[in-house]
Amino acid sequence: DAKTTQPTSMDCAEGRAANLPCNHSTISGNEYVYWYRQIHSQGPQYIIHGLKNNETNEMASLIITEDRKSSTLILPHATLRDTAVYYCIVVGTSYDKVIFGPGTSLSVIP
Amino acid sequence: EPEVTQTPSHQVTQMGQEVILRCVPISNHLYFYWYRQILGQKVEFLVSFYNNEISEKSEIFDDQFSVERPDGSNFTLKIRSTKLEDSAMYFCASRLGVETQYFGPGTRLLVL
Repeated sequence: DAKTTQPTSMDCAEGRAANLPCNHSTISGNEYVYWYRQIHSQGPQYIIHGLKNNETNEMASLIITEDRKSSTLILPHATLRDTAVYYCIVVGTSYDKVIFGPGTSLSVIP
Repeated sequence: EPEVTQTPSHQVTQMGQEVILRCVPISNHLYFYWYRQILGQKVEFLVSFYNNEISEKSEIFDDQFSVERPDGSNFTLKIRSTKLEDSAMYFCASRLGVETQYFGPGTRLLVL
């Protein structure tokens, strides 16, 4: 079973920041927090990952709390093309499979 | 940017027929995976493959399924005798080591 909990759905106005929360209270010290998204039955797309520190790339920012029990994915300026299901996933450092939960369905509204 | 590719994008087959789904992982990657997603449901792990052998498989991956890396570039999933319930999107994924797992665009399999 997935080790994370996320809201089922969220709306965001186009051009505004989308903040997607995730709880992973049972995360262990060597596990990473990964975010993927899936746009309408396409393959899951990698967004960003982190261990302890906040991370930023061209797609998004990842804020991880100091106790690592939760995190927030931030899409700074959401566009209609960001409408997708967003998955927060905890992955270990072995050849672990990715266990997908139901994710958060983000709708970006014009 | 390197990416995982999959062929065909769509496959229609009759129940009881064999299908082979093909994947070309990212070239220097060492770990390979198959997942499936039944319409409207979440993505489910099927099997992982490393060093030319299965590392882990799920309950879904029964004797009807097999995987193979026949050469240095391809990674295949074979379903020997398809059932109606095998209809799904099938995703291949690969990773280099402890880093990110990258997914392909998927093959939509429809069993009639």
